[in-house]
Amino acid sequence: EIVLTQSPATLSLSPGERATLSCRASQSVGSSYLAWYQQKPGQAPRLLIYDASNRATGIPPRFSGSGSGTDFTLTISSLDPEDFAVYYCQQRYNWPLTFGGGTKVEIK
Amino acid sequence: EVQLVESGGDLVQPGGSLRLSCAASGFTFSIYWMAWVRQAPGKGVEWVANIKQDGSEKYYVDSVKGRFTISRDNAKNSLCLQMNSLRVEDTAVYYCARVFGTGGIFYFDYWGQGTLVTVSS
Repeated sequence: EIVLTQSPATLSLSPGERATLSCRASQSVGSSYLAWYQQKPGQAPRLLIYDASNRATGIPPRFSGSGSGTDFTLTISSLDPEDFAVYYCQQRYNWPLTFGGGTKVEIK
Repeated sequence: EVQLVESGGDLVQPGGSLRLSCAASGFTFSIYWMAWVRQAPGKGVEWVANIKQDGSEKYYVDSVKGRFTISRDNAKNSLCLQMNSLRVEDTAVYYCARVFGTGGIFYFDYWGQGTLVTVSS
């Protein structure tokens, strides 16, 4: 099983600041078989980024993803008040599909 | 508009059974893989099971193998999860999710609102 470790667990930032979230895999997930999701309280996760760097439909350009192999990054260039949420990474390289433990982006 | 509506969540005793359903609308259900994903209260997200368009392939997380069965009825645009021998650790919100794209790119692009399963004596 591929274990995804997200860091930091919590990120305290102000609106307008840049957020950088990390997801590290216990083994390679191929060149790009990783996605990012956003989850707000009481809601289901929402797909943001797929295959490491492709924005899903309707996702604003302030969200970007990068990385390959075992190290991936989600960057939010300038935090909007609606971006404060929990973010999860997920790999599709092999079974079982696994998610990281999440990073909470909170208002400082 | 894509809609996924789960039902069937309830309080059940350890060892009991429950059947979850998901009604899909707003897209051609029969051409997509579908999945169940769960989230224990206050915890992270865990993939549970996937099923291919025609039901010929099914995949499960190890912790539910032999206890849970995913199925679908393309004529009724519905997805089900039969859960047997339930354990306290199965307590979670269960989400029905559509798999991204029609070629089995195993991310989840649409999710239902979830249904709560509580396993407790």
